[in-house]
This record gives sequence, structure tokens and C-alpha cells, in this order.
Amino acid sequence: DADVTQTPRNRITKTGKRIMLECSQTKGHDRMYWYRQDPGLGLRLIYYSFDVKDINKGEISDGYSVSRQAQAKFSLSLESAIPNQTALYFCATSDPGDGGTGELFFGEGSRLTVL
Amino acid sequence: QKEVEQNSGPLSVPEGAIASLNCTYSDRVSQSFFWYRQYSGKSPELIMSIYSNGDKEDGRFTAQLNKASQYVSLLIRDSQPSDSATYLCAVERYSGNTGKLIFGQGTTLQVKP
Repeated sequence: DADVTQTPRNRITKTGKRIMLECSQTKGHDRMYWYRQDPGLGLRLIYYSFDVKDINKGEISDGYSVSRQAQAKFSLSLESAIPNQTALYFCATSDPGDGGTGELFFGEGSRLTVL
Repeated sequence: QKEVEQNSGPLSVPEGAIASLNCTYSDRVSQSFFWYRQYSGKSPELIMSIYSNGDKEDGRFTAQLNKASQYVSLLIRDSQPSDSATYLCAVERYSGNTGKLIFGQGTTLQVKP
């Protein structure tokens, strides 16, 4: 089994629908991240969390919300999906031991299409 | 200007050649730099990190950092078809004591047999 698991792996939805992407990890890392990947734009940070009580906005948090239910679980929600949120979403974890990010360990990705 | 810039490619090299992947960044105070490899349809994985000016070698991979020129590169010697992937450059940007990785758009490498 993967250390960082994302569900669903693929999802097609309609504009205005609420969508939740879930991430769970068995690495025991405190830090968890949500990135989105678009062709030609690389990976962009949406939200990150250093522990259950510490959640922070990334570069592109508008239109998204997150929940850190436990050390091992970090969910990303799109309250009202729009077509330009069509992208590949990655969850990642790290355990740097200092203020830096350290090595990111990525899940397998969740491909979201908003029609 | 993008904070981290890479040529999107594709960069095509013959098998056995040296592939040179380049990345420039805009934040002069950045201290940590990373190269991730992403195979098509897969998630990124870390292949190299570099923190000091100069070269860092790991097997067929060499990362080069020049902070004065704000330039980081990745050399792949004896390129193999299995090296065909997208290579993402990432630079750590600090806000206070907290760092966040900023990724370039990636360079697609094609190694032709």
C-alpha cells in the first residue's frame, strides 16, 4: 500500500457541486500539503498544515478549504466547483525537522474535471 | 517574471549523452533547492537537493548551484531512455521561520534510444 493515499483518483463533476478530496498517510509526518498541477504551470501550493491545529493558506487558496481531521488525514474541499479548478491535485507530506519543507512525499494524485 | 523558471522543452537527447536541465529563480535569499522527477501519469519524487554553491554529485546526477547568478542546474550523465520524464525545479521561499517550496513549470526530457 502507498504511504500517502488519495481518494478519489479520478472525479468528474459539474459546476457548482461540492467536492472533497481526501488524503491519508502512514508515514507519521506532521506536515501535510495540497498542491494542484496544471500543464505549463507546475505545482502550486493550495494549503498546508503543520499539525492538527495549524492550517495555512498557500499561493492559491481562493475557492478551496481544508480540514485536518487527524495527524494522518488532510482533506481538500471545493465548496462550489468551477471549470478552472479542473486540474491534477496532489497531497504530500514531509518531516524536515526544521522550518524548511524537506523532502516531499506525494500521493498518487486526484484528477478532477469540472464540467 | 516567474519566481522559478524552467524551459518547458521538450529537451531531446540521444541515449548516452549528457542532459542539462536549467532553472533560474528570482528570490536572492533562497537557500534550499531541489530537483524532482515526475514520470508521465505519476507523482513527483525527489532526486537531488542542494544548499551550497558548487556541484553535488549522486550517481549519474549532478546538481549545480550558483547563488550569485540565481541559477541551479541538473546534469544527467549517460542518459537512458528510463530518464525520460519531466524534471521539476523547486526553490524554498521563507516567510519568517517557515519555508514553502515554489516549483518551476518543469522541463520534459526525452532520451532517444
